[in-house]
Amino acid sequence: EPEVTQTPSHQVTQMGQEVILRCVPISNHLYFYWYRQILGQKVEFLVSFYNNEISEKSEIFDDQFSVERPDGSNFTLKIRSTKLEDSAMYFCASSDRGRTGNTIYFGEGSWLTVV
Amino acid sequence: DQQVKQNSPSLSVQEGRISILNCDYTNSMFDYFLWYKKYPAEGPTFLISISSIKDKNEDGRFTVFLNKSAKHLSLHIVPSQPGDSAVYFCAALDTSGTYKYIFGTGTRLKVLA
Repeated sequence: EPEVTQTPSHQVTQMGQEVILRCVPISNHLYFYWYRQILGQKVEFLVSFYNNEISEKSEIFDDQFSVERPDGSNFTLKIRSTKLEDSAMYFCASSDRGRTGNTIYFGEGSWLTVV
Repeated sequence: DQQVKQNSPSLSVQEGRISILNCDYTNSMFDYFLWYKKYPAEGPTFLISISSIKDKNEDGRFTVFLNKSAKHLSLHIVPSQPGDSAVYFCAALDTSGTYKYIFGTGTRLKVLA
């Protein structure tokens, strides 16, 4: 069964460093998302992406965050200068928005620890 | 502004009995709803969904009920099994809008053997 894959599974970084989280969405999906979950809290929307541009972003997704689809398969989330409060599990997701259903499929997550 | 609410943070159920997880929403434009199961340190796994044109959808041991007038949905698991112990999230989608999925805060289900 097709799945969303994410790398790395876990990254520890110093505060102020740049981090890139990578995702390979399901191959025939065209809509991509990043969500995050701070430990013990809810799954929060960060950004949605379609047709090489951001469709919507939350207030969490400030100027320190950016997304990119550098080639036909990868979808990346970059955090330019990490803060302690960026420590969370980051989930990539994709969907085909109604062509075969409205289900959004998640990757296994990238656990980011900022120290 | 919490548009999707799961008011029970946790639920314990005996193995073999029914588990009922509840979810309320406030936005009447939501027209598609999904339930996800999540184990610690893993991504949410899709369980079952329902469109607003239906009031019930069933898949094996999982049934989702939707009451549009009350803006309420519930997930029934019967019979509950120890392997069902996880955090369950409901999510809502406005298909006429920006296709942003809004998640509830989750309910931790513990099925006791």
